[in-house]
Amino acid sequence: NAGVTQTPKFQVLKTGQSMTLQCAQDMNHNSMYWYRQDPGMGLRLIYYSASEGTTDKGEVPNGYNVSRLNKREFSLRLESAAPSQTSVYFCASTETVSFEAFFGQGTRLTVV
Amino acid sequence: ILNVEQSPQSLHVQEGDSTNFTCSFPSSNFYALHWYRWETAKSPEALFVMTLNGDEKKKGRISATLNTKEGYSYLYIKGSQPEDSATYLCAFYPGAGSYQLTFGKGTKLSVIP
Repeated sequence: NAGVTQTPKFQVLKTGQSMTLQCAQDMNHNSMYWYRQDPGMGLRLIYYSASEGTTDKGEVPNGYNVSRLNKREFSLRLESAAPSQTSVYFCASTETVSFEAFFGQGTRLTVV
Repeated sequence: ILNVEQSPQSLHVQEGDSTNFTCSFPSSNFYALHWYRWETAKSPEALFVMTLNGDEKKKGRISATLNTKEGYSYLYIKGSQPEDSATYLCAFYPGAGSYQLTFGKGTKLSVIP
């Protein structure tokens, strides 16, 4: 049982490049989330998907897009990366009743 | 944006000391309050999921209480050990049609041997 799998683990981008962070869960969870972690800021919600076919903006959505491809997969896309998007990104899915979150291993993204 | 506040931001304690942290959250539209433990270079893992006013949860030396009417939760660690060193996060889930799981900034605990 893999839980939440997030790829890649590390990435370096040049300003203006695009990339997609992939996330998949095998726990049959309905809701999935993307957070970014910055020093002193904790985990800030970028986008979330309450269920397959729906997505909503979180606290810091600017510069990002998401796709809920199916129940298992929720991807995060940076269309034109900026240095301000240098961060550690975490994907999470939540258990259906308690909404306990299960996290991927994180992606450390550096934009130069 | 839901306001979830944690205090203190960081804490240094001696091994054997007991300590506690606070999480405050909106007192309207409450569904659940979670506590997570986050070790360096790892991902957060849930300690407690609390859903009822007056809930008290315990796991070994760690316990938590919940007051939904006034919008706060306390996490207690009794007899801190070096392996308790981590960042402790709380997360608020409002329910009522909102699926937004909002985290506080965390309390970083360092236990000095």
